Amino acid sequence: GQQLNQSPQSMFIQEGEDVSMNCTSSSIFNTWLWYKQDPGEGPVLLIALYKAGELTSNGRLTAQFGITRKDSFLNISASIPSDVGIYFCAGQLRGSYGGSQGNLIFGKGTKLSVKP
Amino acid sequence: DTEVTQTPKHLVMGMTNKKSLKCEQHMGHRAMYWYKQKAKKPPELMFVYSYEKLSINESVPSRFSPECPNSSLLNLHLHALQPEDSALYLCASSQVLLPPGQGYEQYFGPGTRLTVT
Repeated sequence: GQQLNQSPQSMFIQEGEDVSMNCTSSSIFNTWLWYKQDPGEGPVLLIALYKAGELTSNGRLTAQFGITRKDSFLNISASIPSDVGIYFCAGQLRGSYGGSQGNLIFGKGTKLSVKP
Repeated sequence: DTEVTQTPKHLVMGMTNKKSLKCEQHMGHRAMYWYKQKAKKPPELMFVYSYEKLSINESVPSRFSPECPNSSLLNLHLHALQPEDSALYLCASSQVLLPPGQGYEQYFGPGTRLTVT
């Protein structure tokens, strides 16, 4: 099946640091979505991107839809302790709209933890 | 309001039990989804309903039986499960039939933590 390469797999943050993560694929996507998931909870939608080159912010979060339509990144500025969790990217393949609502492809996640 | 609710929050069942998971949304979304998520893994699609009709079944074993009674409700009936079916079960919803070139946003519920003993 389709794969999304999400990196890094995990990272440690110190309060106040900026954080960056990205997702890449060999396929072209219509949509990129970024979710955050806390332990035992469902994923919460952070940002949705629909156009190549689009840059969208949500508070301290900024995400971009790559020009090639094959990648996206998420930045978190001035991290705070509640940013800890697992971040997933998810993409909808080009040409999969209409009756194929199910095919959101997920990355494997980036786990953000606090530096000891 | 972007809320999807799921009940119960936690469920423990034996391999011979029959139980049901419930999901509800009031966003007017006509696509609803069931996902299964194992620890430290991304959600894995199980079923998709579009306009209350099953449109995608990702080769899920028949011991999982979905049902969409109306546009706001989605159920997952469980029977004769195995211990390896223990997981977080997530419900999601979205719009359908957007114009070409546009995507859609899926909103997830908090999940049901299922343990099969």
